[in-house]
Amino acid sequence: EVQLLESGGGLVQPGGSLRLSCVASGFTFNNYAMSWVRQAPGKGLEWVSAISGNGGSTYYADSVKGRFTISRDNSKNTLYLQMNSLRAEDTAVYYCAKSFSIWSGFPYYFDYWGQGTLVTVSS
Amino acid sequence: QSALTQPRSVSGSPGQSVTISCTGTSSDVGGYNYVSWYQLHPGKAPKLMIYDVTKRPSGVPDRFSGSKSGNTASLTISGLQAEDEADYYCCSYAGTYTLLFGGGTKLTVL
Repeated sequence: EVQLLESGGGLVQPGGSLRLSCVASGFTFNNYAMSWVRQAPGKGLEWVSAISGNGGSTYYADSVKGRFTISRDNSKNTLYLQMNSLRAEDTAVYYCAKSFSIWSGFPYYFDYWGQGTLVTVSS
Repeated sequence: QSALTQPRSVSGSPGQSVTISCTGTSSDVGGYNYVSWYQLHPGKAPKLMIYDVTKRPSGVPDRFSGSKSGNTASLTISGLQAEDEADYYCCSYAGTYTLLFGGGTKLTVL
């Protein structure tokens, strides 16, 4: 059974940093691109970032480019999102999501999502 | 990039059909066939319902269908059932390895 378990969310002040983790199980992790998608309170989904299966390619939404860094440790089946220079508008539930297609360098679709971890940026 | 445009809400009675639209531009919906639809029930993880504009993943009922015309994609749910009540989001590839979601549509089954 595929499982994605996010952690690392919490309350942080504007300008602060936070690192999210997503531990994956139930599939061959390094065969799949992964992504982070967020949902601000009362708002819609927003794609944040993606990474290829081998970690060699990374992709970002303009809203987080230069502030967030996605990475993965395939030996630990874990996906990360390092978030720096956080702003109030980054407040959201952050989901990690698995690419629907095996060996796709970019995850166009997601077939499994975690339950999310809440990040609150506030003073 | 602005979110794709979806109606905020739609409704229908059990057994009826409803269609949810998703309007973008030639740089996203109109330019690629990488359109997908997700179903979100409160407190549950999103579920992929449609991908590649028209394809259904295994296990998704054939009551759900997708289409696209120009810059607008659509999700049609026929034979509405109570369990279809949820939020629905479209998503499109927007070029240069980015994805764009719609604002979401709340489906109410009357």
